[in-house]
Amino acid sequence: AQTVTQSQPEMSVQEAETVTLSCTYDTSESDYYLFWYKQPPSRQMILVIRQEAYKQQNATENRFSVNFQKAAKSFSLKISDSQLGDAAMYFCAYRSANRSGGSNYKLTFGKGTLLTVNP
Amino acid sequence: GAGVSQSPRYKVAKRGQDVALRCDPISGHVSLFWYQQALGQGPEFLTYFQNEAQLDKSGLPSDRFFAERPEGSVSTLKIQRTQQEDSAVYLCASSLWEGVRVLNEQFFGPGTRLTVL
Repeated sequence: AQTVTQSQPEMSVQEAETVTLSCTYDTSESDYYLFWYKQPPSRQMILVIRQEAYKQQNATENRFSVNFQKAAKSFSLKISDSQLGDAAMYFCAYRSANRSGGSNYKLTFGKGTLLTVNP
Repeated sequence: GAGVSQSPRYKVAKRGQDVALRCDPISGHVSLFWYQQALGQGPEFLTYFQNEAQLDKSGLPSDRFFAERPEGSVSTLKIQRTQQEDSAVYLCASSLWEGVRVLNEQFFGPGTRLTVL
């Protein structure tokens, strides 16, 4: 079974600064997807960025980028030019890609990192 | 169009009561997931539907939990004889469809916060 670990329960950053959220995962699979989701206080989960394991190039979405280290099973999220609206719980998630079956389409989440942005 | 909606948003039940939680996925979405999110934790998978077929229910914690999607659109998660440990936020997510090498974004609803007294 796959596991996802987020070792930082809480992080804070000053507005306009950069912050990095950590995520490690454990899997025996070679093909999978990784995600970062944002969950604001209203609770609706929003996809921030995703990475296919077979792609070596790190994904980037505007101010959000990842550092994907497949050998180390590490998948960190960097938020540049932090904004007040970035304050939320951030979840790292894993999805299998190389077997069929409903259970392999599920997302496996870490426990989350609460990000506070200070003005 | 509209996103995933869930109702009720909040539900308080007395221990032993039955509850039903509803999920309206995005129109046309084939895949539907239920997740349970305990306080301070990440969501955990409960069950997965492809159209009306429940392809995986391995995450349901006990036989008191039952989910259905009879017409392949709206889904209901039912919990019988609720216990205090069932208190959590129940999230529904839908996607166009899922496949071995097909990845479509899972869109989440706002969740139903269930409190069992």
